Amino acid sequence: AQTVTQSQPEMSVQEAETVTLSCTYDTSESDYYLFWYKQPPSRQMILVIRQEAYKQQNATENRFSVNFQKAAKSFSLKISDSQLGDAAMYFCAYRATSGTYKYIFGTGTRLKVLA
Amino acid sequence: EAGVAQSPRYKIIEKRQSVAFWCNPISGHATLYWYQQILGQGPKLLIQFQNNGVVDDSQLPKDRFSAERLKGVDSTLKIQPAKLEDSAVYLCASSLVPPGRAITGELFFGEGSRLTVL
Repeated sequence: AQTVTQSQPEMSVQEAETVTLSCTYDTSESDYYLFWYKQPPSRQMILVIRQEAYKQQNATENRFSVNFQKAAKSFSLKISDSQLGDAAMYFCAYRATSGTYKYIFGTGTRLKVLA
Repeated sequence: EAGVAQSPRYKIIEKRQSVAFWCNPISGHATLYWYQQILGQGPKLLIQFQNNGVVDDSQLPKDRFSAERLKGVDSTLKIQPAKLEDSAVYLCASSLVPPGRAITGELFFGEGSRLTVL
C-alpha cells in the first residue's frame, strides 16, 4: 500500500527567507502524481503545486518549487521569499494513475512565518 | 465561480446522537469526495462519488456512516450514532472530471464541517 510521510510537524521561517518542507512516499508504481496542498487556518485547502512522476523536471509555481527525487521517493517543497500569508498547514499528497486513483495525504506540516 | 459549499461549519453533539453534513460541489463537477480529518492527521477518504454512483467507500464505517449523492449534485454525509472518535473536520471536495491516468483531477475543497462529539 502507498504511504506518504511528512516528518516535520512544524516549521518556522522568517519573513522573506526560504524554507523547505519534506515529504517522502512509498509506492511500487512507476507512474503517479504528487501534490502539495495548503490549508490556511479555518480556510479551505488549495492546491499549491503538482508534479507528474514521469517528468524529470521539477515543477515551479512562482515562489513555490519542488525537489522531486524519484529514486529516493522524496518530494520536498521550497518556498522562497516567505510571506505572512504562507502561514498554513501544508499537506503532501500522492495519487496513483490506476485503480480508483485515490489521493493519499501525509499528516501535514504547520508552517509559521515570523515577521 | 462559486466554490464548494459545506454546512454546518460547526456542530457539537452528545455521543450516540446523529448528525448530518451537507455539501454542494462546484457546478459541473462530476466527482465528489468526503474526507475525515482528525486533529494532527491528514485527510482520510471516506467515500468517493462519480456522478451519483459510489466509486470507493472502502474506508467508510458503514455501521454508523452513510452518504448519498442524489441527482449527482449535492451530497449528504450522516453519522448515526456518533462516537467520541468521530470528532474531526469533515471535508468535502470535488473535481471536474474523475482523475485518470493522464488527468490530474485536481481537488477543490470546501471549508469543512467541524464535529465535536461529547
